[in-house]
Amino acid sequence: EVQLVESGGGLIQPGGSLRLSCAASGVTVSDRYMSWVRQAPGKGLEWVSVLYGGGSADYADSVKGRFTISRDNSKNTLYLQMNSLRAEDTAVYYCAASKGHYISGGFYRGLESWGQGTLVTVSS
Amino acid sequence: DIQMTQSPSSLSASVGDRVTITCRASQTIGRSLNWYQQKPGKAPNLLIYAASSLQSGVPSRFSGSGSGTDFSLTISSLQPEDFATYYCQQSYRMSWTFGQGTKVEIK
Repeated sequence: EVQLVESGGGLIQPGGSLRLSCAASGVTVSDRYMSWVRQAPGKGLEWVSVLYGGGSADYADSVKGRFTISRDNSKNTLYLQMNSLRAEDTAVYYCAASKGHYISGGFYRGLESWGQGTLVTVSS
Repeated sequence: DIQMTQSPSSLSASVGDRVTITCRASQTIGRSLNWYQQKPGKAPNLLIYAASSLQSGVPSRFSGSGSGTDFSLTISSLQPEDFATYYCQQSYRMSWTFGQGTKVEIK
């Protein structure tokens, strides 16, 4: 069974930094696309970043240049380093794992496994 | 970025009703469309991937259809545990994007 456990959230002042962790079991983070998805209070889901198995990454425009996704294979843990935090970054942050499916000649991915989320509040 | 638009934003339905939610992409995405269910205070749960493939463990009353730009999620007979918010998401191109959500409430 896949388990993803996020930690590291909390209250931080605007302009500050925070590092989120996502400890994985039942899945090897280096074998999957590993994403961070956030949800502002009372709002919908926003994809934030993905780390590919090969080690490259992509980011949403809203966090590009401020957030960095990484992993520690020895700890089987995913991270999100968040710098220059803004009030609009306030959200529950989820990590999620996706695997691919070959169907009728195409390759498709969904976010199959999710952690419980960690709340980041950016406020003075 | 590819924009995803769901309709309706909310709906009221009764247990046993057939419910359909639609999702439209701003450009063609083939069949790279996923559906999620989220209950209050919980993480989302993948229901459907690749537009119409049922995720393991998801009840068969959930089904998905569509391709290109227009997609739908149908619940054939709404159950009490299905009252939740549903999101579509495209996985065709980064940045992956979600629809704004459809809240299914009890009538």
